[in-house]
Amino acid sequence: QSEVTQPPSVSGAPGQRVTISCTGTSSNIGAGYDVHWYQQLPGTAPKLLIYANSNRPSGVPGRFSASKSVTSASLTITGLQAEDEADYYCQSYDSRLRGGVFGGGTKLTVL
Amino acid sequence: QVQLRESGSGLVKPSQTLSLTCAVSGDSVSGGSYSWSWVRQPPGKGLEWIGYISHSGSPYYNPSVQSRLTLSADRSKNEFSLRLTSMTAADTAVYYCARVVLLGTLMYFDYWGRGALVTVSS
Repeated sequence: QSEVTQPPSVSGAPGQRVTISCTGTSSNIGAGYDVHWYQQLPGTAPKLLIYANSNRPSGVPGRFSASKSVTSASLTITGLQAEDEADYYCQSYDSRLRGGVFGGGTKLTVL
Repeated sequence: QVQLRESGSGLVKPSQTLSLTCAVSGDSVSGGSYSWSWVRQPPGKGLEWIGYISHSGSPYYNPSVQSRLTLSADRSKNEFSLRLTSMTAADTAVYYCARVVLLGTLMYFDYWGRGALVTVSS
């Protein structure tokens, strides 16, 4: 299987911290491949948020951080803001597909 | 600044062929550092990588669409294209083109187009 699993939704109040998990299989994250994260604001294209497990592209605020363990990864947003309300996707390489595989996405609601 | 822009047919009849093109500015599709990909997103659903073409012009396809998909690149126009045959309602989606950072098994999408909505309907 090439599945990558995320919780369908998470929520938090402004200023709080939220974490989104991403669990893979032996053909992707579990094989040691890097995990990347994307933010998709409503009605827009995805935007690269984190690459290679924990690296932020220029312009991404420091309150977005991520980490990876053996078979899973997580994205943490601290100091939650209303503008963070979006869908978040993790992505890795998959050896069965010989290409990219995305998680199902997590909808973040800022209460 | 790298920019990508999709263009092509927005409405396709069942069994017909979808053709989309992605125009690239700020980088070269044959420049040697990046690959170029298509990712689709059915309405209300998640993202699916469907294929990429390397800077040397070699295509790689998701097995889910491999038998129906052809990717190509036009160096003179600095654009790359998608052709998906035998379209069904399940292919209805927003199709994004994206630049791919690809170093061995390190693979991620750093620049995206705005997306093109493709509807399959008679």
